[in-house]
Amino acid sequence: NAGVTQTPKFRILKIGQSMTLQCAQDMNHNYMYWYRQDPGMGLKLIYYSVGAGITDKGEVPNGYNVSRSTTEDFPLRLELAAPSQTSVYFCASSYAQGEISPLHFGNGTRLTVT
Amino acid sequence: AQTVTQSQPEMSVQEAETVTLSCTYDTSESDYYLFWYKQPPSRQMILVIRQEAYKQQNATENRFSVNFQKAAKSFSLKISDSQLGDAAMYFCAYGHSGGGADGLTFGKGTHLIIQP
Repeated sequence: NAGVTQTPKFRILKIGQSMTLQCAQDMNHNYMYWYRQDPGMGLKLIYYSVGAGITDKGEVPNGYNVSRSTTEDFPLRLELAAPSQTSVYFCASSYAQGEISPLHFGNGTRLTVT
Repeated sequence: AQTVTQSQPEMSVQEAETVTLSCTYDTSESDYYLFWYKQPPSRQMILVIRQEAYKQQNATENRFSVNFQKAAKSFSLKISDSQLGDAAMYFCAYGHSGGGADGLTFGKGTHLIIQP
């Protein structure tokens, strides 16, 4: 049972490049999330999904896209990378069971855009 | 929208002593959930403790306990017998009731330093 797996762990992009951050979970969780963590700012929600085929914007969605074709996978796409997207990105999942369950996090991806 | 405020950017405590981290939140809901997460230098986010708003009893997990004051919208974390391994960033988080589909709202974090 691997939990939430994120790849890559580190990445450097040039301004204007694109990339996809991968996230997979093997816990059969319904809900999945992408957060970004900037120094001194806590975690901010980018996008979330309540199930395959359903996604919705969070607090800071601009510059990102997501898809959820399966329960297990929730990739985050960055188009035309900008320096403002330099951050640590966390994928998380939780199980919907009527009451809120804690988020299970991946180990994060540190992205630098130069 | 809900907000979570952690007013202590950094706290320092001697090993084996007790430390309390503060958290306040703003919400108009009566049913919700609160969490404390720990983030060590490894960057991993680890759940420390959770509290359901409908429960009056404060949650405890070994050396970790909370002081939940619903009327004051306060949710502090007490760490007893501090250990070097407790050094980390600590984040307070709020979640809606009803499954929490739209995730948690996090505070900015408190950096906890343990002095040997």
